[in-house]
Amino acid sequence: AQKITQTQPGMFVQEKEAVTLDCTYDTSDQSYGLFWYKQPSSGEMIFLIYQGSYDEQNATEGRYSLNFQKARKSANLVISASQLGDSAMYFCAPDLEKLTFGTGTRLTIIP
Amino acid sequence: EAGVTQFPSHSVIEKGQTVTLRCDPISGHDNLYWYRRVMGKEIKFLLHFVKESKQDESGMPNNRFLAERTGGTYSTLKVQPAELEDSGVYFCASSPDRAYEQYFGPGTRLTVT
Repeated sequence: AQKITQTQPGMFVQEKEAVTLDCTYDTSDQSYGLFWYKQPSSGEMIFLIYQGSYDEQNATEGRYSLNFQKARKSANLVISASQLGDSAMYFCAPDLEKLTFGTGTRLTIIP
Repeated sequence: EAGVTQFPSHSVIEKGQTVTLRCDPISGHDNLYWYRRVMGKEIKFLLHFVKESKQDESGMPNNRFLAERTGGTYSTLKVQPAELEDSGVYFCASSPDRAYEQYFGPGTRLTVT
C-alpha cells in the first residue's frame, strides 16, 4: 500500500514567518499529481494547491507554493507570511490510483 | 455556485442501528467520492462513483457499508448495522473530471454509542 508521511504532527510558527510543511510518500507510480488540503477547526476540507505530474515549474497559489520533487518523492508546502487564519490541519494528498491522504500536520500560528 | 453538501452534519446512533448519510455533489460533477476519517487516523478513501456507476469501491471496509448514487446525482452511504468503530467523520467530494481537484463537503460526524 502507498504510504504518505507527514513527519511533523504539530508545528508552532510565529505570525508573519514562513513555514514549510513536509510530505514524503512511497509509490511506484510514475504519473501522478499532488494536492494539499487544509482543514480548519470547523472541519471542512479546503483545496489549497495542486501540481500536475508533468508540470515543470513548482506551483504557486497566492501565499502557497509547492516544492514538488518527484525524484525524491517529496512535496513540501510552503506558506509565506503566515497569518493567524492559517492555523489548521494540513494534508498532503498524492493523486495516485486514488487520492491518498497523509496523516496531517497541525499548524498553529502564534500571534 | 453551491458547493458539495452533506446531510446530516452530525448523527449519533446506537450500536446496531442503521444510518444513512447523504451527499449532494456540485451540479455537473460526474465524479463523486466518499472518504472517512476515523478518530486519530488518517483520511481514507472509501469509494468512487462515475455518474451512477461504482468505479472503485476498494476502500469500503466491509459489507455493512452500502453506497448508492441514483441517477448519477446525489449519493447515499448506508451503514447497517453500525458498530462502534464506524464512528468518525465521513466526507464526500466531487470533481468534474478524474484529474481535477476534488471539492469536499463539510463532512458528517457519525458517533456510534
